[in-house]
Amino acid sequence: AQKVTQAQTEISVVEKEDVTLDCVYETRDTTYYLFWYKQPPSGELVFLIRRNSFDEQNEISGRYSWNFQKSTSSFNFTITASQVVDSAVYFCALSEAEGTDKLIFGTGTRLQVFP
Amino acid sequence: EAGVTQSPTHLIKTRGQQATLRCSPISGHTSVYWYQQALGLGLQFLLWYDEGEERNRGNFPPRFSGRQFPNYSSELNVNALELEDSALYLCASSLGLAALENEQFFGPGTRLTVL
Repeated sequence: AQKVTQAQTEISVVEKEDVTLDCVYETRDTTYYLFWYKQPPSGELVFLIRRNSFDEQNEISGRYSWNFQKSTSSFNFTITASQVVDSAVYFCALSEAEGTDKLIFGTGTRLQVFP
Repeated sequence: EAGVTQSPTHLIKTRGQQATLRCSPISGHTSVYWYQQALGLGLQFLLWYDEGEERNRGNFPPRFSGRQFPNYSSELNVNALELEDSALYLCASSLGLAALENEQFFGPGTRLTVL
């Protein structure tokens, strides 16, 4: 069965701290896609990254970085030097079937960054 | 470029009534997805349309239905509303089955309240 687990319900940090959001997934498929989305208080989900199961290279985009490890079925997300604007709920998601089908979301991690 | 748009922003109905939610995808996108985000239940996949056809359906009763029009916009209908249908309904669009890159981009959502 497909499943995404985000064990951290809520994380609080002070500005400029680094923070890592954990994501563990389960799937029987050999081809699958992993995503991270950000949901600020406005409610709209903002796409952050898409990664396919054949690409285990870590990715860095500004202060954001992602660590994909198939051996542990994890796709963790790190924010370096966090800022107040990073405060949001972050969702990890899984999709099979070439990534065109439904997204299976984790329960989300609420990140609060205090000044 | 305009993003995914949804209307109305808020909708208040009473039990037993019907609700119609609308979504316009990003220009050039042929796939539309509907998700429900209810308090305590996380983001749940409802429906996926591509090129006018229903491609997949989540674990929801038949009173949740929808359609996709020739211009790729979509409607979600919820009949015989129940209190637990109160939720944020999010629409997403993607390039669809013909594309290799298939990130789903989300709209701002429609907040449905059933009294």
